[in-house]
Amino acid sequence: QQQVKQSPQSLIVQKGGIPIINCAYENTAFDYFPWYQQFPGKGPALLIAIRPDVSEKKEGRFTISFNKSAKQFSLHIMDSQPGDSATYFCAASSTFSGSARQLTFGSGTQLTVLP
Amino acid sequence: DGGITQSPKYLFRKEGQNVTLSCEQNLNHDAMYWYRQDPGQGLRLIYYSQIVNDFQKGDIAEGYSVSREKKESFPLTVTSAQKNPTAFYLCASTKEGRNTEAFFGQGTRLTVV
Repeated sequence: QQQVKQSPQSLIVQKGGIPIINCAYENTAFDYFPWYQQFPGKGPALLIAIRPDVSEKKEGRFTISFNKSAKQFSLHIMDSQPGDSATYFCAASSTFSGSARQLTFGSGTQLTVLP
Repeated sequence: DGGITQSPKYLFRKEGQNVTLSCEQNLNHDAMYWYRQDPGQGLRLIYYSQIVNDFQKGDIAEGYSVSREKKESFPLTVTSAQKNPTAFYLCASTKEGRNTEAFFGQGTRLTVV
C-alpha cells in the first residue's frame, strides 16, 4: 500500500514560533502534494500545495519545502498564531484513471500554538 | 456558494442496522470520494466514483456500499457487515485535472450505540 509518513504526531509552540511538519513518500508516481488544515468537527480544507518540479512555495505565512531526490516535503508556518491551532495533514496525489485522483494522506499533526 | 453538503452531522446506529450517509455537491465535479477518519490514522479511502453509475473500491471498502445515480449525489451506506463503524466520515469531490484540490464536506460522525 502506498504510504505517506508524517511527523511529528503533535507539536506545541509559542506564539510567533515556526512549527515544521515533515512528510516522506515512496511512490514516484505522485505528482501533486497538498497540505490540508482541519479544525475539530470540520472537514479538511486545502492550505497550500506544490508540484514536484518546484522546490519551494510560499503563500502568506505558509511555506512548503520539497526535496524530490529525498522524496520528502515539509510545511513551515511563520509567525504562528493561536488561530493556527489545528490538525495538519500532508497528502500525495496521483491519477487513478480518468478523472479521479488518488489522495494518500499522512497520519496528521496536531498543532497547538500557545498565546 | 458552491460546496459539499453532508448530512446528518451526527448519526447513531444500533448493532445490526444499516445506515446511509448523504453527500451532495453543487461544484459540478465529476469525481467524488468517501473517506473514513479515525484518531491518529489520517484519512482512508472507502470508495470513489469518477462518473455517474460508476464507482470503485478504495482501501477499506468492506462493510460499505455506495451508489452514484446522479452527478451531484454520492450516498454511503454503512452496513451491518462493518464491524467497527464508529468514525468520522468525510465526503470529497475533485474536478478533472492534475493539480486539483479536493473539496471536503463538514463530515458525519457515526456512533454505534
